Amino acid sequence: DTGVSQDPRHKITKRGQNVTFRCDPISEHNRLYWYRQTLGQGPEFLTYFQNEAQLEKSRLLSDRFSAERPKGSFSTLEIQRTEQGDSAMYLCASSLDTGSYNEQFFGPGTRLTVL
Amino acid sequence: DQQVKQNSPSLSVQEGRISILNCDYTNSMFDYFLWYKKYPAEGPTFLISISSIKDKNEDGRFTVFLNKSAKHLSLHIVPSQPGDSAVYFCAASPFGGATNKLIFGTGTLLAVQP
Repeated sequence: DTGVSQDPRHKITKRGQNVTFRCDPISEHNRLYWYRQTLGQGPEFLTYFQNEAQLEKSRLLSDRFSAERPKGSFSTLEIQRTEQGDSAMYLCASSLDTGSYNEQFFGPGTRLTVL
Repeated sequence: DQQVKQNSPSLSVQEGRISILNCDYTNSMFDYFLWYKKYPAEGPTFLISISSIKDKNEDGRFTVFLNKSAKHLSLHIVPSQPGDSAVYFCAASPFGGATNKLIFGTGTLLAVQP
């Protein structure tokens, strides 16, 4: 399978714990995005990487959130001191920068439940 | 503020008929629009896109129409099939945005009845 993969698919944690999610993009894609989707809403942009550089972060990404893409391949999203409001589906997407707009390909998501 | 709006939370259509899903946007800087389909427990799947220099793009049973003056786009599915039943999201990308980040609507749940 050469699509975007995410791990884990589901995560249940207690409030105050730290969690980390992983995303493996399509191998030749140099752009990687993280989105968050809550019930009844569309995905909301969190952050974006061009290769290993994190170029944009949404205001939604509080200081408890950190994302990395150390070698320009896979990415991790860490949430520290989780809160119940962090419960959501976390989606990763990737695309190839060709100098014009291109569609983003999404992974299956990681569903986080904070108890 | 919701920059991309899908005002119909749900739509029910008979198999073989046309499905029309609508989307409105408020930001005139948007210049690239996409439709995604999402099944439960899966990530969104890209369907079709359109650049603001066009008013129509067609791909098989799917056609997207863009009316820039009205800031409105629509997705037509003809003929509709039961496998098309899913949530459909409209998304837009800001003009000149270096990130090409997508701004999504809230989705429309399409149910195609056999």
